[in-house]
Amino acid sequence: AQSVTQPDIHITVSEGASLELRCNYSYGATPYLFWYVQSPGQGLQLLLKYFSGDTLVQGIKGFEAEFKRSQSSFNLRKPSVHWSDAAEYFCAVGAAGAAGNKLTFGGGTRVLVKP
Amino acid sequence: SQTIHQWPATLVQPVGSPLSLECTVEGTSNPNLYWYRQAAGRGLQLLFYSVGIGQISSEVPQNLSASRPQDRQFILSSKKLLLSDSGFYLCACKGGVNQPQHFGDGTRLSIL
Repeated sequence: AQSVTQPDIHITVSEGASLELRCNYSYGATPYLFWYVQSPGQGLQLLLKYFSGDTLVQGIKGFEAEFKRSQSSFNLRKPSVHWSDAAEYFCAVGAAGAAGNKLTFGGGTRVLVKP
Repeated sequence: SQTIHQWPATLVQPVGSPLSLECTVEGTSNPNLYWYRQAAGRGLQLLFYSVGIGQISSEVPQNLSASRPQDRQFILSSKKLLLSDSGFYLCACKGGVNQPQHFGDGTRLSIL
């Protein structure tokens, strides 16, 4: 069964500093990987996705993530955080051809941005 | 691009009352549709998914049911709500091969 671990429940970062959110997955085949962001009381917005090809993927809002197969990781990064990046971030794993193309989500990382 | 509509945005219901949450999708045909629940301070739990009209798969045993009467309509229901049904309910849509899931804005359900 697939699983996703986001080791950090909370991260506090100063505005303008860099941000890295960790994501480790467990899956028997090549995974499809996603990062979503959720502002309070809102739905989830897709930041970026990895299906195949270049292991460094660029997303919206200046985010990027790198797929490292050897480490089973898909960490999210942003070079300079803005106050508007304060939100909860979810990593998810799925697979093509799996019944219903279901996703498994990590528990989320809440990011607080200090002025 | 696809748009996902959920209503109502918030709902307060007494224990034992029925429930009907609706999700409709625009901008895609024959999508996969999903219902998730997000309890306070917790991650997302997949409740149901559907790959076509009338086709419902349940992921966890519970007090809820789902139906898909039309291609782009997905309904979450209950005959009698429990306190434990409180949470944030999200509908998601996947338009095709190699497409990600996109989410609606959710319904906040409080059970009193």
